[in-house]
Amino acid sequence: AQKITQTQPGMFVQEKEAVTLDCTYDTSDPSYGLFWYKQPSSGEMIFLIYQGSYDQQNATEGRYSLNFQKARKSANLVISASQLGDSAMYFCAMSENTGGFKTIFGAGTRLFVKA
Amino acid sequence: GAGVSQTPSNKVTEKGKYVELRCDPISGHTALYWYRQSLGQGPEFLIYFQGTGAADDSGLPNDRFFAVRPEGSVSTLKIQRTERGDSAVYLCASSLGFSGANVLTFGAGSRLTVL
Repeated sequence: AQKITQTQPGMFVQEKEAVTLDCTYDTSDPSYGLFWYKQPSSGEMIFLIYQGSYDQQNATEGRYSLNFQKARKSANLVISASQLGDSAMYFCAMSENTGGFKTIFGAGTRLFVKA
Repeated sequence: GAGVSQTPSNKVTEKGKYVELRCDPISGHTALYWYRQSLGQGPEFLIYFQGTGAADDSGLPNDRFFAVRPEGSVSTLKIQRTERGDSAVYLCASSLGFSGANVLTFGAGSRLTVL
């Protein structure tokens, strides 16, 4: 069964606007972590943001915020004030306590920022 | 080292040959992961190490794939009798250890092409 689902293969956003990338996950473990990584065309994966399952508040890191809705098992990434350099693949990922905290990834969403 | 180093960056081999891919993690990182990424897809988990031992090798596709980390630092992913379907980018990542907040630092990857 798919543990991490990203339903948007590609997304377009106008420069300086906000964009939301969707992610839903599946786990019965009460203890888990959710992550977003960015992969530019150069290929190197870059960590963006982390949300713990027990965290009460949504995580924020600069222009990135994670919209964590635990009951719906969703962890959407919001990028505010998009920049041309944000064009990349974005991966949602999860690590579970019962999985020994190994990290598994979704299929990704390709974001295109238009000037 | 300053980052995760992977060698070679590119490897072209012929079907049936043996291949070794090397990963040198960040100094002090006890956890080391191998992933395989095909074009346009998310990283697929292969194996991870905690120290010298393989904590979870459930992602290795078959017994042609093997990985070692004899001294708890450098790891080598070994592929015997390569097949064309093994062509992919092999990503290595390391982290401080295992917990829910297990942020991975990735290397640039080793692109394997099997002719």
